[in-house]
Amino acid sequence: DIQLTQSPSLVSASVGDRVTITCRAGQDIYTYLAWYQQKPGEAPNLLIYAASTLQSGVPSRFSGSGSGTEFTLTITSLQPEDFAAYYCQQLNTYPLTFGGGTKVEIK
Amino acid sequence: EVQLVESGGGLVQPGGSLRLSCAASGFTFSDHYMEWVRQAPGKGLEWVGRSKNKAQRYATEYAASVKGRFAISRDDSKKTLSLQMNGLKSEDTAVYYCARTRGSYYGFDIWGRGTLVTVSS
Repeated sequence: DIQLTQSPSLVSASVGDRVTITCRAGQDIYTYLAWYQQKPGEAPNLLIYAASTLQSGVPSRFSGSGSGTEFTLTITSLQPEDFAAYYCQQLNTYPLTFGGGTKVEIK
Repeated sequence: EVQLVESGGGLVQPGGSLRLSCAASGFTFSDHYMEWVRQAPGKGLEWVGRSKNKAQRYATEYAASVKGRFAISRDDSKKTLSLQMNGLKSEDTAVYYCARTRGSYYGFDIWGRGTLVTVSS
């Protein structure tokens, strides 16, 4: 199975901050990577697919980059509604796997 | 409105069976791959399995943790995805989500609200 390691697991940040989350894959997954946001009690919401393509309707302050084994999700100018958990997912190889998650909390 | 609605969750004893359903609306169900993803209480996301579309002959894929115990099926005429769960274990306790994708490159773009399955005596 392809392991995805997210770091950090917890980010304490303030409104307006720039936040970067890293996702490292155990082997080359090309750009078969997606990012999701999940708020408590809600289903995940797709933010980014194909490593860097912004899903329709997602604010442009979210961006993704990377290929191969190292990927990043960046949130520029953190907004109050962005405090949530974030997960990466690889879609290159079965079984599909998710990273362990990163919680972005209010500082 | 594009929507997925899961049903069928509940309390079941270890070793028991349960069948979850996911009703789709607002899009061409037959064109899409459909997924099951679960989340144990307070934990992260775990992919359960996939049903590919008609063009891919409805092929299915499963996580190792459920292979041989769970079975995914779909009825395109009723726009319904199902998850038959047999031999349930306490570690299967989770919220189960169905989701759709256009294919492996695109991520899971629509999710249901989930249904809770609790395996306990």
